[in-house]
Amino acid sequence: LAKTTQPISMDSYEGQEVNITCSHNNIATNDYITWYQQFPSQGPRFIIQGYKTKVTNEVASLFIPADRKSSTLSLPRVSLSDTAVYYCLGGPSYSGAGSYQLTFGKGTKLSVIP
Amino acid sequence: NAGVTQTPKFQVLKTGQSMTLQCAQDMNHEYMSWYRQDPGMGLRLIHYSVGAGITDQGEVPNGYNVSRSTTEDFPLRLLSAAPSQTSVYFCASSYSGSGLSTDTQYFGPGTRLTVL
Repeated sequence: LAKTTQPISMDSYEGQEVNITCSHNNIATNDYITWYQQFPSQGPRFIIQGYKTKVTNEVASLFIPADRKSSTLSLPRVSLSDTAVYYCLGGPSYSGAGSYQLTFGKGTKLSVIP
Repeated sequence: NAGVTQTPKFQVLKTGQSMTLQCAQDMNHEYMSWYRQDPGMGLRLIHYSVGAGITDQGEVPNGYNVSRSTTEDFPLRLLSAAPSQTSVYFCASSYSGSGLSTDTQYFGPGTRLTVL
């Protein structure tokens, strides 16, 4: 089971950089780490994914150390519109007969303060 | 592509009533799933399917039934609604039925259900 642990909530002022760390001690060797963002009253949406080192896109950066037991989502210069819940996923959990499931957990609620 | 669609957007039921939440995707995705979201509880997996004709239970399956007769559709049935099922329900899909961690999950807009 690829269980992840992340802070329940974080506050930040506008314009600051925000780093959200997720621990995934038993992530499988082949699994990628994926982060999703959920705005109020919407379904989650994919924001970034990586395997190791650093990945950057137009929304965020993702830092993954060599041991891959944790990852850090970095949001540069946040604005009020970045207020959302951020979920870290470390890969599916496999059950019998070739089935698998994805569990999202509670995520980290980021509140950006003006 | 419409992506993942859910109907209805809102629904109010009385205790004991039954209903079906509809979910459809037009991306030819193998994997589909249902989550419920309650305040402070995050997303909890109800049922999922790795392909047509195959379904399995998630974390909180009690009180819900699913079937997957086609690749496109994955309805969620409440046979006898209870106030504890008041929640926001999200349907999601992804390409692979074999559990690739690189697969992106695509979510629908959600159904807000209230059971009185």
